Amino acid sequence: DAEITQSPRHKITETGRQVTLACHQTWNHNNMFWYRQDLGHGLRLIHYSYGVQDTNKGEVSDGYSVSRSNTEDLPLTLESAASSQTSVYFCASSESRHSGNTIYFGEGSWLTVV
Amino acid sequence: GENVEQHPSTLSVQEGDSAVIKCTYSDSASNYFPWYKQELGKGPQLIIDIRSNVGEKKDQRIAVTLNKTAKHFSLHITETQPEDSAVYFCAASLVSGTYKYIFGTGTRLKVLA
Repeated sequence: DAEITQSPRHKITETGRQVTLACHQTWNHNNMFWYRQDLGHGLRLIHYSYGVQDTNKGEVSDGYSVSRSNTEDLPLTLESAASSQTSVYFCASSESRHSGNTIYFGEGSWLTVV
Repeated sequence: GENVEQHPSTLSVQEGDSAVIKCTYSDSASNYFPWYKQELGKGPQLIIDIRSNVGEKKDQRIAVTLNKTAKHFSLHITETQPEDSAVYFCAASLVSGTYKYIFGTGTRLKVLA
């Protein structure tokens, strides 16, 4: 079955270190997204991509970057991890950019910055 | 900016009773409203959605209603069961040349046996 996988599922890192969270989907979806989930804030969009070589900033993009070199992968990089970036991160994908297209989420990556 | 308010933040119901979760959106251009269920340690999963040209949609024990004039939509779960216990998120899709959702802050539903 096609799926979307995230790795690592759990990570503890130190302030100032660079961290990369991987996301891989096998649906051949054009659209991919990264969200963070925090208590009281729900899901907030970090970055998104409509296709290879396309990336766009979401509402909470500061301190994060993404790259899209192929259809299947959208890695999320924290350039210099901060304690405020302790969160649960969800990667997601969808087939079409048109409204009404289902977004499929990964299982999440729990990141702790100490 | 665009906003989706969701209430209540927590909801406890007895097994077999109904549960209602409400969301209000700010952007009148929104035209697609999905609901997601998130179980502990998992990612959110779509359970039902509604488009702005429809007032109500049902799928077995789950229904969603939309009031475009008031800019609010609600999730109704009837005959609740323990496996309905989860966090539920509403979202509104903004059709403005970009494809993204604005999510509500979530409702933790507990179904008491």
